[in-house]
Amino acid sequence: SQQGEEDPQALSIQEGENATMNCSYKTSINNLQWYRQNSGRGLVHLILIRSNEREKHSGRLRVTLDTSKKSSSLLITASRAADTASYFCATNGNNRLAFGKGNQVVVIP
Amino acid sequence: GAVVSQHPSRVICKSGTSVKIECRSLDFQATTMFWYRQFPKQSLMLMATSNEGSKATYEQGVEKDKFLINHASLTLSTLTVTSAHPEDSSFYICSATGTSGGETQYFGPGTRLLVL
Repeated sequence: SQQGEEDPQALSIQEGENATMNCSYKTSINNLQWYRQNSGRGLVHLILIRSNEREKHSGRLRVTLDTSKKSSSLLITASRAADTASYFCATNGNNRLAFGKGNQVVVIP
Repeated sequence: GAVVSQHPSRVICKSGTSVKIECRSLDFQATTMFWYRQFPKQSLMLMATSNEGSKATYEQGVEKDKFLINHASLTLSTLTVTSAHPEDSSFYICSATGTSGGETQYFGPGTRLLVL
């Protein structure tokens, strides 16, 4: 099954700065999704990018997808303290999601 | 819209007992529900896929007799951890997709299970 894998980073940034995290995967996909998880809580869907798309925006989020390199990036612009969370990418190959390891982002007020 | 609830949010039980976790789609009908397990500071691991009215499909390595899944209606799926052991202690999360077969999964808030 597909396996999304983030670079195992723990980002600590100042409020207002941008946060970038990456994800790589190994097999073909239909789409790739990014989720946010606050500590001890469920996941919140952030954005979905299809395999035929290269870039997508949603508010302060920007996602890129490079299917030739099997990688994706999530950029959060003008970060806020409320953005502090873990961020997971998940690849979707047959309506089943395979999650990456996650990035812990801490935004310092 | 697209709200998924789980009950209970937290449960502590003794070793050897069984625990049932409910997953409900509150404002949509969910043809497919998924059950995940998450260990501290780790990613989500898919345990099984459940379609309404049919048997669940379990991922490799997940014991179907240990983790009983029932999806009796379009709004409810249950996961029963049978004869729980301390190693079953984990965070269990469900998700659901709607009858339109959407690509987005809507996640519940999770259930933290602690087996003593």
